[in-house]
Amino acid sequence: AQKVTQAQTEISVVEKEDVTLDCVYETRDTTYYLFWYKQPPSGELVFLIRRNSFDEQNEISGRYSWNFQKSTSSFNFTITASQVVDSAVYFCALSGLPNRDDKIIFGKGTRLHILP
Amino acid sequence: SAVISQKPSRDICQRGTSLTIQCQVDSQVTMMFWYRQQPGQSLTLIATANQGSEATYESGFVIDKFPISRPNLTFSTLTVSNMSPEDSSIYLCSVGYSVYEQYFGPGTRLTVT
Repeated sequence: AQKVTQAQTEISVVEKEDVTLDCVYETRDTTYYLFWYKQPPSGELVFLIRRNSFDEQNEISGRYSWNFQKSTSSFNFTITASQVVDSAVYFCALSGLPNRDDKIIFGKGTRLHILP
Repeated sequence: SAVISQKPSRDICQRGTSLTIQCQVDSQVTMMFWYRQQPGQSLTLIATANQGSEATYESGFVIDKFPISRPNLTFSTLTVSNMSPEDSSIYLCSVGYSVYEQYFGPGTRLTVT
């Protein structure tokens, strides 16, 4: 069975600090996809990144970076120099191959508070 | 990506009534999905709605409670029937060409009193 665990329920940091959101996943598939989504207080879900299981290169996009490690089944997300606008709930998610596993499994989310 | 709108954005409904939520996308997409997010919880897939076929419901969700229509490639509706306070949630539609390329709408915040 597929599972996504975000052990951090809630995190608070002061603005400009770096913060890492943890994500651990379980799957028996050899091909799978990992995602991060952001849900600001307004409620919409904003897509941040998708990674397939064959691409273990770390990704950096501005202040955001992602560390994918298959050896530990983790896909962690780091925000550098955090800003108040980063306050949101962040979801890590997992899906298998289309047509075999036609859904995304979401973790329970980490609520991030950036304090001014 | 696609531009997705949902109507209504929020509503307060009496128990026992039904609410139909609309999801409109600005381009033709193969797949549309409906999710429920109960307060403080993660997203749970209700059903997948592909045009021209019956919606596929996930375990725990039934057509009588959550009937779905998908009349064309840009539009879908989800009805929450015979509502109870436990149905108070955010309902989100998402669209995509495959399960691993989904874009989410702004959500509908439903409160049942």
